[in-house]
Amino acid sequence: SQQGEEDPQALSIQEGENATMNCSYKTSINNLQWYRQNSGRGLVHLILIRSNEREKHSGRLRVTLDTSKKSSSLLITASRAADTASYFCATDAWSNMLTFGGGTRLMVKP
Amino acid sequence: NAGVTQTPKFRVLKTGQSMTLLCAQDMNHEYMYWYRQDPGMGLRLIHYSVGEGTTAKGEVPDGYNVSRLKKQNFLLGLESAAPSQTSVYFCASSYSGLPSYNEQFFGPGTRLTVL
Repeated sequence: SQQGEEDPQALSIQEGENATMNCSYKTSINNLQWYRQNSGRGLVHLILIRSNEREKHSGRLRVTLDTSKKSSSLLITASRAADTASYFCATDAWSNMLTFGGGTRLMVKP
Repeated sequence: NAGVTQTPKFRVLKTGQSMTLLCAQDMNHEYMYWYRQDPGMGLRLIHYSVGEGTTAKGEVPDGYNVSRLKKQNFLLGLESAAPSQTSVYFCASSYSGLPSYNEQFFGPGTRLTVL
């Protein structure tokens, strides 16, 4: 079973537009992380938000966390063709493990 | 630093054959993980290790064994491969000191096909 579920499963936008993807989870967490996976590659850590944080920024990335709704969102502003990838949320529920969602496939058209 | 490396990158097995996937990390991380990723899906944890000489089961451990004889290496074994084990396998490692938020560093993956 997967703790996190991303929405939408796939997203197609034009270069320069913003991309928003959402993650919902089921149990209380210590932190939530977002990863990017380019086609045929391993995952790369993007950003981590702790359970006592509500919003975090890193460059063109903005992550929000609503623990009351058990949900998070990842916003990529001014998207570029190079942002084309799959994006996964992962939750840490005070264990030694992360539980990954099914991912959102983002395509940014030039 | 090479980060996390995996050997081999590709492998084709016949049903019933055995093989070992090797993961190595040069970041002195305590924690190491093996995941599998099936088409269009997220990662599922097979086994993990919180230190040299220790291993634990993840979400989908059946059909796999692991060993962590050295801190920098984590081996994943398939004793008798089955077509259902056709997948891409990823190794990851993470830092366990304080503060520790379990940010994981991933290898490039091993694409395994079982015929």
